[in-house]
Amino acid sequence: GAVVSQHPSRVICKSGTSVKIECRSLDFQATTMFWYRQFPKKSLMLMATSNEGSKATYEQGVEKDKFLINHASLTLSTLTVTSAHPEDSSFYICSAREVSSGHLDEQFFGPGTRLTVL
Amino acid sequence: GDSVTQMEGPVTLSEEAFLTINCTYTATGYPSLFWYVQYPGEGLQLLLKATKADDKGSNKGFEATYRKETTSFHLEKGSVQVSDSAVYFCALSGKGNTPLVFGKGTRLSVIA
Repeated sequence: GAVVSQHPSRVICKSGTSVKIECRSLDFQATTMFWYRQFPKKSLMLMATSNEGSKATYEQGVEKDKFLINHASLTLSTLTVTSAHPEDSSFYICSAREVSSGHLDEQFFGPGTRLTVL
Repeated sequence: GDSVTQMEGPVTLSEEAFLTINCTYTATGYPSLFWYVQYPGEGLQLLLKATKADDKGSNKGFEATYRKETTSFHLEKGSVQVSDSAVYFCALSGKGNTPLVFGKGTRLSVIA
């Protein structure tokens, strides 16, 4: 099956620093990757949709200058949390949709990255 | 817009009990329907899916049938185990390159 990895799995940083999270599709090419945020005991909140080679589309209320998304290739998307603050602490999950039509409407999820901002 | 409604948790069951988690949806057209499972501290894993009306998705003893007439996709398992304790998310996907729409999740705790 299709595998999506995320790195790092956990990160602790000081307030004011920037953190980069990588999302990779390991055995397939992804036209589109999605970034979600999950608060404790809550559902997933879609932050943005990332298409290879173009600008990300952000959901309402998500600051695009704070959450920078780069989808440089068909296998890699990155989320950079700039000038992180404690309220940015959360579980960030990416997912990827395969290019080929076999699973066009299925998304494959990464294992998530837990960010803690002190 | 499209939406998914699933029963509020938490649900606590004894081992070997029967499980039902209700899920209904609102969508234009004919979406694909999914159940995802999230174990503590992990990302989401696809549990099962159905892409058209009357399809039954099944995996690991879990089943769900795509009911167009009732716009439902209820998750069932005949005999739950402690290892099934997790959060279960119902989701739908419209056509094209749209993201999944998730329900709020249902936390299941199975006790021995």
